[in-house]
Amino acid sequence: AQRVTQPEKLLSVFKGAPVELKCNYSYSGSPELFWYVQYSRQRLQLLLRHISRESIKGFTADLNKGETSFHLKKPFAQEEDSAMYYCALSAPPGSARQLTFGSGTQLTVLP
Amino acid sequence: GAVVSQHPSWVICKSGTSVKIECRSLDFQATTMFWYRQFPKQSLMLMATSNEGSKATYEQGVEKDKFLINHASLTLSTLTVTSAHPEDSSFYICSAHRGRADTEAFFGQGTRLTVV
Repeated sequence: AQRVTQPEKLLSVFKGAPVELKCNYSYSGSPELFWYVQYSRQRLQLLLRHISRESIKGFTADLNKGETSFHLKKPFAQEEDSAMYYCALSAPPGSARQLTFGSGTQLTVLP
Repeated sequence: GAVVSQHPSWVICKSGTSVKIECRSLDFQATTMFWYRQFPKQSLMLMATSNEGSKATYEQGVEKDKFLINHASLTLSTLTVTSAHPEDSSFYICSAHRGRADTEAFFGQGTRLTVV
């Protein structure tokens, strides 16, 4: 069975500082990994996925199969980045399968 | 974009009654929708996969007789919590994909259920 681990429940950084939200996964095959974000009083929405290899709102995430990690990074955090971030895994990849979520990390960017 | 709408956004009901939650895909058809449950300060836990025109697939530990799922059309799935009890109080969220190969999930805004 697949599993997603986000070790940090809470993370606070100052505006302009780098931020890294950790995510590790366990899955016997090659999964598809996602980061979803939930801003205050808004619904969950996709931030980025590993197959796109894109940067969204300054965030990037690289899939490291050796370490089974998919950490989310941003070099300069902004106050508007404050939100709940969920790492999620979809398996098998390439299909509209259900997501397995990590427990989430609440990011607070301080002024 | 793709919009998924849930109704109601919140509901309070008495113990023993049943509550129906609707999940609609507003601008696309969804043969599959997913229902999640989220406890306070916890992650989303998949409850069941709703399949249009066929029976839902429930995750282990989810009582199918308590959480009735109906996916009668390509744009509507409903979750009925039967004989609700206070321990059923939770945040219920649905999601849908635009197509079988589209791996991006679009989420409803969620329904806060409080059973008193």
